[in-house]
Amino acid sequence: GAGVSQSPSNKVTEKGKDVELRCDPISGHTALYWYRQSLGQGLEFLIYFQGNSAPDKSGLPSDRFSAERTGGSVSTLTIQRTQQEDSAVYLCASSPRSGALGSGANVLTFGAGSRLTVL
Amino acid sequence: AQSVSQHNHHVILSEAASLELGCNYSYGGTVNLFWYVQYPGQHLQLLLKYFSGDPLVKGIKGFEAEFIKSKFSFNLRKPSVQWSDTAEYFCAVNANYGGATNKLIFGTGTLLAVQP
Repeated sequence: GAGVSQSPSNKVTEKGKDVELRCDPISGHTALYWYRQSLGQGLEFLIYFQGNSAPDKSGLPSDRFSAERTGGSVSTLTIQRTQQEDSAVYLCASSPRSGALGSGANVLTFGAGSRLTVL
Repeated sequence: AQSVSQHNHHVILSEAASLELGCNYSYGGTVNLFWYVQYPGQHLQLLLKYFSGDPLVKGIKGFEAEFIKSKFSFNLRKPSVQWSDTAEYFCAVNANYGGATNKLIFGTGTLLAVQP
């Protein structure tokens, strides 16, 4: 597609429920990131997929958080047993193949985000 | 662990004032450096980037940033701000290992409000 698409744009859920957030990156982009944006916390790195390499999951805050990327394209971020502190905007971004210095490889294109509210 | 610090959390300026936003990172290797901007109600977008070469880089809308390796800094500047520069500004860094890069880490952001 023309840009990074995220769904849903807004999600309100009850504490303890599971949620799934979807990201459809730009076609051909091999790198995909998930970040969490909350007030006063800036952009918190969650997970990074690069091609067929094992994802960098070092930013996932707990084992309630997981993410998959199927076929090197669409990604789903799953939050199990949601807590109120999970309320935030979840941003997805993609970029072309990582590497070459001076290329656009590391320039991220962001989606509009999924705003999650846990009651 | 790699980290990015933005010490100015909230900046208020009048139009035509000069702007400098600080960014420091903690990594001793080769780095790629970025400033992203988020205007009210819009997506995050790239303002400027540094990969190599001239440490003074120019971006869109009259912004520039200077990479000072000895200070681990990449401060953002603009000589004369406009009301339309009101936005949140994020510094970001990733390390480069011989052509392969790791994850991009962002600072906590600086909210700039320009008063007309």
